[in-house]
This record gives sequence, structure tokens and C-alpha cells, in this order.
Amino acid sequence: QVQLQQWGAGLLKPSETLSLTCAVYGGSFSGYHWSWIRQPPGKGLEWIGEINHSGSTNHNPSLKSRVTISIDTSKNQFSLKLSSVTAADTAVYYCARRDTSKYYMDVWGKGTTVTVSS
Amino acid sequence: QSALTQPPSASGSPGQSVTISCTGTSSDVGGSNYVSWYQQHPGKAPKLMIYEVSKRPSGVPDRFSGFKSGNTASLTVSGLQAEDEADYYCCSYADSNNSYVFGTGAKVTVL
Repeated sequence: QVQLQQWGAGLLKPSETLSLTCAVYGGSFSGYHWSWIRQPPGKGLEWIGEINHSGSTNHNPSLKSRVTISIDTSKNQFSLKLSSVTAADTAVYYCARRDTSKYYMDVWGKGTTVTVSS
Repeated sequence: QSALTQPPSASGSPGQSVTISCTGTSSDVGGSNYVSWYQQHPGKAPKLMIYEVSKRPSGVPDRFSGFKSGNTASLTVSGLQAEDEADYYCCSYADSNNSYVFGTGAKVTVL
């Protein structure tokens, strides 16, 4: 049974770069797109972007200029970097899996809380 | 891209049905058969409940059903049970920019 385990810095100052990593355990790494989704406190979900095992990415147009998603197939891990963070980037960040031939996220990580505060 | 519009809340008594709408545009919901629904309990990660408008993953009770007409998708929960009390989010693929857009979320309360 595939599991996603995620980690990263939980407290950042404005203008710093958010960095999170998600590791995939118990399943295939290829044949899927690996996604990042976030949820500000008390608010809804926002899709950030995704990457496949070949390194091809898709992004939310509203965040694209600040987002870098990368992959390390040797470790079955993928990562998110979000530059120039502000308080508006405070959120729970989730990693998730999408079968490349499908259009939904079927496996999710537990989430990582990231707070941006001076 | 703007979030899909959902009513903030819906409620029903145990055994009753509740329907949540999800309204988008022709660029997302209206132009896609790839609408999915997620259930989220407080402090937990979302769980896939419906995909491709009306299909249920293995293990999801058949009390959950999905439908779409034009730019609006809907999720119906029949035979409400206490454990159905949660937030529900719709999500649509937008093929114009290979991206996904979520709904604003609806809180379902079992009275």
C-alpha cells in the first residue's frame, strides 16, 4: 500500500523560500504525476502543481513564477520550493499522487503546516 | 483561474439526503468530464470520494453519487450517517493550461 511521507521547515520569515519534500513508499514511482496542494487556515484547497517521473511539470498559473517542483527518482522523492513567501503562503501543504492516465489525486500525504511570520 | 463555487454549508438529519453543488465555467467543469470530489474531516488529509463526475473508488459507499450538467457538478450523499459530517471539495481539470481547480468547499452537518 503506497504511503506518502512529507517533511520540511515549518516556520519561515517573509521573503524566505519554502522547501518541502515528499517520499513515496510501497509503490511504483513511474506512471504517476506527483502533486502539491495547499490549504490556508480555515480555507479551501489550492492546487500548486505537479511533476512526473521524467521531470515534466504543470503549475497553477497564479503561483508559477514562484514555484519549483523537482524530482529525485533514485530516492523516490519529489520536492516543492516556493520563493519569496509572505503571510499569505501560511498553509497546510499536502503532497499527493495522480495516475498519469487519470485526472484525480488518489493518495495523499498527511500534510505539513508551514507558517510565515516575522 | 478562479475557485469553483460551492455553497458554504449543507445539512440533513440521519437517513436523509444532501446535495452539494459545484459551479465553474466552460473552461473547467463545463468542458471536462474530470470532476472529482474529496471528503475532509478536521485535521485530516482529503479523501477521494468521486472521480470522473460519477465514479466511486473501491471502498466508497454507494450512498455517495455524482452528477454534472453544463457548468455545474453535484455530489449527493444519501442515507446520511454521522461519519459523513465533513468538508467536501469538488475539483476539476482545466485542460486549457493542464491544471486543476478546487471548489470553495462545503461543510456538511448531520443534524
